[in-house]
Amino acid sequence: AQKVTQAQTEISVVEKEDVTLDCVYETRDTTYYLFWYKQPPSGELVFLIRRNSFDEQNEISGRYSWNFQKSTSSFNFTITASQVVDSAVYFCARITGANNLFFGTGTRLTVIP
Amino acid sequence: GAVVSQHPSWVICKSGTSVKIECRSLDFQATTMFWYRQFPKQSLMLMATSNEGSKATYEQGVEKDKFLINHASLTLSTLTVTSAHPEDSSFYICSAPESPTSGQETQYFGPGTRLLVL
Repeated sequence: AQKVTQAQTEISVVEKEDVTLDCVYETRDTTYYLFWYKQPPSGELVFLIRRNSFDEQNEISGRYSWNFQKSTSSFNFTITASQVVDSAVYFCARITGANNLFFGTGTRLTVIP
Repeated sequence: GAVVSQHPSWVICKSGTSVKIECRSLDFQATTMFWYRQFPKQSLMLMATSNEGSKATYEQGVEKDKFLINHASLTLSTLTVTSAHPEDSSFYICSAPESPTSGQETQYFGPGTRLLVL
């Protein structure tokens, strides 16, 4: 089965700590796309990043960084110097052959002030 | 990024009534839109794919006669929950890929609709 696994159900950190959210995926495709979305308490999904399988460069965007490792089928997300506003559920997802998104189970991050 | 709107954001209804949810792409055209459902503290699960000008395709286990989808134009898809029951209470959220060719593009999500059936 082609799955997206987010083993961490819930994580709590103290403000200003760094935190890494894990994502492991399975796919039979040679070309594929992976995503991270943030879902704050209000419910809307906020797009964070899209990564294709040919691009293994790690990406940094402000306090956010992503580590894509094809060899271990992982696409981990790190928040540096976490803030209370980072508290949300974070979903890792991949595109399916039908072009819809298949989501992992999500990781609920709580940043304690 | 592209903007997708949903209406209404909240709906509370009595059991047995029908509820219509609209999903609009505001600044781009979408030949395909996706409808997801999210129960509390769970992940998003695809319900169906809405196709402009043709029938929607439903995921296994989703009743097409209960969840009616109409993709009336390139910017509007509607989901109607017919004869809603308390077990249909959930968070419904739509998405649309930014490109009209519906390839492996980034998908943008509407803000979601919380449905509570009493």
